[in-house]
Amino acid sequence: DGGITQSPKYLFRKEGQNVTLSCEQNLNHDAMYWYRQDPGQGLRLIYYSQIVNDFQKGDIAEGYSVSREKKESFPLTVTSAQKNPTAFYLCASSMGGTGRGELFFGEGSRLTVL
Amino acid sequence: GENVEQHPSTLSVQEGDSAVIKCTYSDSASNYFPWYKQELGKGPQLIIDIRSNVGEKKDQRIAVTLNKTAKHFSLHITETQPEDSAVYFCSSGSARQLTFGSGTQLTVLP
Repeated sequence: DGGITQSPKYLFRKEGQNVTLSCEQNLNHDAMYWYRQDPGQGLRLIYYSQIVNDFQKGDIAEGYSVSREKKESFPLTVTSAQKNPTAFYLCASSMGGTGRGELFFGEGSRLTVL
Repeated sequence: GENVEQHPSTLSVQEGDSAVIKCTYSDSASNYFPWYKQELGKGPQLIIDIRSNVGEKKDQRIAVTLNKTAKHFSLHITETQPEDSAVYFCSSGSARQLTFGSGTQLTVLP
């Protein structure tokens, strides 16, 4: 089945540790996105990538980093510089370019900092 | 940048009644207005979208209206069913980048 796969589903980390969240898609989409979801705040864009080897900061990029070495993969690293990293993280993809714009989301990764 | 306001934050309706969720946006250049439904523990899923050259779009029990002059758009769900219970997000922007509202928790009471 085509879709977005995020892992791990749940992750615990101690303060001061970096953690990487995985996102893989087999939809052959050009564009990929990372969103953060907090209660009552909707989805906020962290980073997005329209094409391999290129990515742009979203609204809340501080304390996060990404890479886009392969079309299928867009991992997100939550660094120790992120002041409040406990949240639900959603990865999404879309056709990109002049495509329809529909976002396809994964099932999310819940990060808890202890 | 774009700012999207969504109301109400929670909405309870009796099964069979209608539900309406409203959003406003700030960027007059926005031309794409999708609505997403998020069930518990899952990622959001597109349920309907509308582009700025259209004022209304309907898909079975779901309809969306857009007023570009007032920068308002709304989601209407008729004949609500228990499976409609979820969080609904409006969003606004372009096909390349969207800004989301804060979400509406819809509960359909049996």
